[in-house]
Amino acid sequence: GENVEQHPSTLSVQEGDSAVIKCTYSDSASNYFPWYKQELGKGPQLIIDIRSNVGEKKDQRIAVTLNKTAKHFSLHITETQPEDSAVYFCAASIQRGAGNMLTFGGGTRLMVKP
Amino acid sequence: AAGVIQSPRHLIKEKRETATLKCYPIPRHDTVYWYQQGPGQDPQFLISFYEKMQSDKGSIPDRFSAQQFSDYHSELNMSSLELGDSALYFCASSSRTGGQEKLFFGSGTQLSVL
Repeated sequence: GENVEQHPSTLSVQEGDSAVIKCTYSDSASNYFPWYKQELGKGPQLIIDIRSNVGEKKDQRIAVTLNKTAKHFSLHITETQPEDSAVYFCAASIQRGAGNMLTFGGGTRLMVKP
Repeated sequence: AAGVIQSPRHLIKEKRETATLKCYPIPRHDTVYWYQQGPGQDPQFLISFYEKMQSDKGSIPDRFSAQQFSDYHSELNMSSLELGDSALYFCASSSRTGGQEKLFFGSGTQLSVL
């Protein structure tokens, strides 16, 4: 089955700096890559996603890049703010109409210091 | 916008007891996924339902069962509870219409088995 690895496991940045989280996946058939933000005591919140037919997607301060050949994708957060502090999970799945089981990476705890 | 609703938020049970977790998907969503998240772990897929039929099965113990009802809400039934079942249980819902499925998670049920 699919295996997703995520690095780093913890990341501390100064407010205003950029943060980058990287993930690799094993199954070349995976075609959908969402990113979730999870705050303490809450469920994962979808913040951005990318499908295999594009290489980059941006939404305000958040961007995701995908390299299908190398089977890795990254989350970029610019101008970080203290409220960006949370655990971030990448995930991968094969969307084939019959299901969308997400396989998650191990998570990255992002701490933004004021 | 309406989100995925899970109940109860917290549940405390003794070993060998049973528990029932409920999930109410976002209106007009036809698919429900159940995930288990241990402390400091990433969410692990348990089971999913599409249009009231089981769609995919992950690492769900035989002691657990689930179903999706005619109103699309879902229940996860857990019997002979073990200490290791203590975890956050998340439900996610999605719509497969249109071919670009996105999963939205509820706030979870924190199950503690004593």
